[in-house]
Amino acid sequence: DAKTTQPNSMESNEEEPVHLPCNHSTISGTDYIHWYRQLPSQGPEYVIHGLTSNVNNRMASLAIAEDRKSSTLILHRATLRDAAVYYCILRDMNRDDKIIFGKGTRLHILP
Amino acid sequence: KAGVTQTPRYLIKTRGQQVTLSCSPISGHRSVSWYQQTPGQGLQFLFEYFSETQRNKGNFPGRFSGRQFSNSRSEMNVSTLELGDSALYLCASSLLRLKMNTEAFFGQGTRLTVV
Repeated sequence: DAKTTQPNSMESNEEEPVHLPCNHSTISGTDYIHWYRQLPSQGPEYVIHGLTSNVNNRMASLAIAEDRKSSTLILHRATLRDAAVYYCILRDMNRDDKIIFGKGTRLHILP
Repeated sequence: KAGVTQTPRYLIKTRGQQVTLSCSPISGHRSVSWYQQTPGQGLQFLFEYFSETQRNKGNFPGRFSGRQFSNSRSEMNVSTLELGDSALYLCASSLLRLKMNTEAFFGQGTRLTVV
């Protein structure tokens, strides 16, 4: 399975944008890039996913590098509620019948 | 619509006992997958059930088993509990099988403590 690399932790100020990086240099052509987050005492929550083009939804934006070897999850205006562990996950649309979570990035939001 | 419901939320068991955890998926969802989360190993896939059949299994011993009922509700059973089985057990439901690349919706989990 292709692996992802994320920083262990990041800090950001409330009401500022947050850019969470993810490296996936061994990504294959059929791997989708998914992001989930896990708030304290909650199960993981889907955030966004994409293949090649940048994606936007009500929660976040996903910027994917042209060579697809890295991506960035963008929270446009962080709130205290966004403090969570963010997981960047690769899933092959042809065969992945499980979700493999890495260690993720613990995001701290400073008031 | 109601989310994924896991019961019980907390459980304390003694070594050697067995435990059954329950997961009710979102209405209409047919896939239920189970995960174990520990501080040391993180989130690890246990198995997925779809249409009452186990479709895939993670690297866990045979003491971990599950089943799915015709209404898509799923149960997970752990026999001969060990201290290392203490963890947060999460289930996730999705409309289609996980390999169809659909979004998975997670419950809040069952916190199992083995003493």
